[in-house]
Amino acid sequence: KNQVEQSPQSLIILEGKNCTLQCNYTVSPFSNLRWYKQDTGRGPVSLTIMTFSENTKSNGRYTATLDADTKQSSLHITASQLSDSASYICVVRFQTGANNLFFGTGTRLTVIP
Amino acid sequence: NAGVMQNPRHLVRRRGQEARLRCSPMKGHSHVYWYRQLPEEGLKFMVYLQKENIIDESGMPKERFSAEFPKEGPSILRIQQVVRGDSAAYFCASSGQGGDEQFFGPGTRLTVL
Repeated sequence: KNQVEQSPQSLIILEGKNCTLQCNYTVSPFSNLRWYKQDTGRGPVSLTIMTFSENTKSNGRYTATLDADTKQSSLHITASQLSDSASYICVVRFQTGANNLFFGTGTRLTVIP
Repeated sequence: NAGVMQNPRHLVRRRGQEARLRCSPMKGHSHVYWYRQLPEEGLKFMVYLQKENIIDESGMPKERFSAEFPKEGPSILRIQQVVRGDSAAYFCASSGQGGDEQFFGPGTRLTVL
């Protein structure tokens, strides 16, 4: 069964600290993996996309890693800011099919001053 | 280039009434997806449409729910005879011909009293 699991469910960190969010998936065959940021009351916005051959991709203070062998991805946030408070969703695309996205339930990050 | 537009942003209905949710995709996009998000849960796929065609409705309840994407005008998600369990945020996403990245709208928050 194709699944995407994220951990932790929620996380509270102090402003300025770093954190790492995890995503494990069983989707196969795999096409790509995206990390989305969803602010409260808004739709998700894509942060990074990684294909099978990519190990690391950065977008400002966000760095995503992918290990396609172990089917794990992580999102590392450096020097957190209050505006990083949001849900972070891991989305894995299956290789075939008209609608082929599998969504994780997200990690809710709260950055406190 | 305006993003995905959804309206209304908030909708309150009494049990038994009908709810109509509208989604205008990004300019040039012909693929529309509807998702439901219950409080504290992840996004759940409902239906995938292209202009005038339903491609995949495997995530949509068989009764009371319907969706359309006419040749002209927005996509409509229609919920008849709403019940309290329909209370959720409904997100629309659109993608272009290649269908890879989905861009999300801000969502419609439906509250059933």
